[in-house]
Amino acid sequence: SQQGEEDPQALSIQEGENATMNCSYKTSINNLQWYRQNSGRGLVHLILIRSNEREKHSGRLRVTLDTSKKSSSLLITASRAADTASYFCATAPRVGTASKLTFGTGTRLQVTL
Amino acid sequence: NAGVMQNPRHLVRRRGQEARLRCSPMKGHSHVYWYRQLPEEGLKFMVYLQKENIIDESGMPKERFSAEFPKEGPSILRIQQVVRGDSAAYFCASSPDLTLKPQHFGDGTRLSIL
Repeated sequence: SQQGEEDPQALSIQEGENATMNCSYKTSINNLQWYRQNSGRGLVHLILIRSNEREKHSGRLRVTLDTSKKSSSLLITASRAADTASYFCATAPRVGTASKLTFGTGTRLQVTL
Repeated sequence: NAGVMQNPRHLVRRRGQEARLRCSPMKGHSHVYWYRQLPEEGLKFMVYLQKENIIDESGMPKERFSAEFPKEGPSILRIQQVVRGDSAAYFCASSPDLTLKPQHFGDGTRLSIL
């Protein structure tokens, strides 16, 4: 099974609403990152949270990390149509190559007008 | 200020042929990573290279796949004797070093096997 699994797999909301996506992982991590992927494009890095951090903000994004539950959440506030994309969490292992990212299966977010 | 450049964007091969995927990292980045993405799935790590060295190839199939990152020129992911199951999007990412810098991704090469 996946190291990272996002929940829900798909999410449809209206513009202006908040979107929350969750990610669970299995092994010890050095850090957890969230990426966005627009259809047919590469991944764009959104935010990185270290294993000793609990919450981080960047603009309309808020990420939480609970290492005891091995889970993270990404909150996008006041969503816009341009936020429509797939969102992936990725973990970097505590031991070994910190850059070897393990991605979850993603949440497909649809924001409608 | 070009990002990670991958070419070709789309590649069609017949079973048994060879596929060569190229990746030019961002300027100043000496670390390159290759990932594979199947439809509706997340990215799977394949290989991590620094200039002229393979650091971690634990995600690379043992046969038919190879990667290099020469001193001069782009990184190459090579797939020999392609099969239908190799059809996927292949993404390259680069980073400047191992400190907590995010990886920058190219737009991928979509490989289709006929």
